[in-house]
Amino acid sequence: AQSVSQHNHHVILSEAASLELGCNYSYGGTVNLFWYVQYPGQHLQLLLKYFSGDPLVKGIKGFEAEFIKSKFSFNLRKPSVQWSDTAEYFCAVSDDYKLSFGAGTTVTVRA
Amino acid sequence: EAGVAQSPRYKIIEKRQSVAFWCNPISGHATLYWYQQILGQGPKLLIQFQNNGVVDDSQLPKDRFSAERLKGVDSTLKIQPAKLEDSAVYLCASSPSGARWSYNEQFFGPGTRLTVL
Repeated sequence: AQSVSQHNHHVILSEAASLELGCNYSYGGTVNLFWYVQYPGQHLQLLLKYFSGDPLVKGIKGFEAEFIKSKFSFNLRKPSVQWSDTAEYFCAVSDDYKLSFGAGTTVTVRA
Repeated sequence: EAGVAQSPRYKIIEKRQSVAFWCNPISGHATLYWYQQILGQGPKLLIQFQNNGVVDDSQLPKDRFSAERLKGVDSTLKIQPAKLEDSAVYLCASSPSGARWSYNEQFFGPGTRLTVL
């Protein structure tokens, strides 16, 4: 069974700061990679996904993520955060059978 | 497009009682998932249906949990009897059908927050 590790439990930063959230997974086969976000009071929703091709993928709201196969990593980035980016962020990895989530990172952006 | 609907939104029960959760997926979505999310953890898959057949229930505690998806649309998840450690948010998600289901985005409902006292 694969596992997904998110490096930070809680990140606090100021508006306009850059954000990077780490994600590593254990599965050695072909995987599909996702970042989901849950804004306060809202449902989990997809931020971006990677299946193949360019390892740098762009998602909604200015987020991007880079897949580094040799490091089993799929880190999420945003150059300049806004107060509205305050949310919980989940990395998820699927093989052919199951979607596995990391524990999540709570991001708090101070105005 | 209507999203995934779940009810109830909140439920408080005593241990050893029974509880049931209901999910209505997005219209036309063949695949339905139930997840358990314990506080401080990510969602954990309990069971996955493709239409009304079970694809994966390897992490479902079958001595107390059961789920069904009659007619390939709505689904119910039941816990009987509940334990303290079942306190969690139960999420339902759905995704479109496709040859490679793992590529598909999952659309999540609001969840049911269960508290077992």
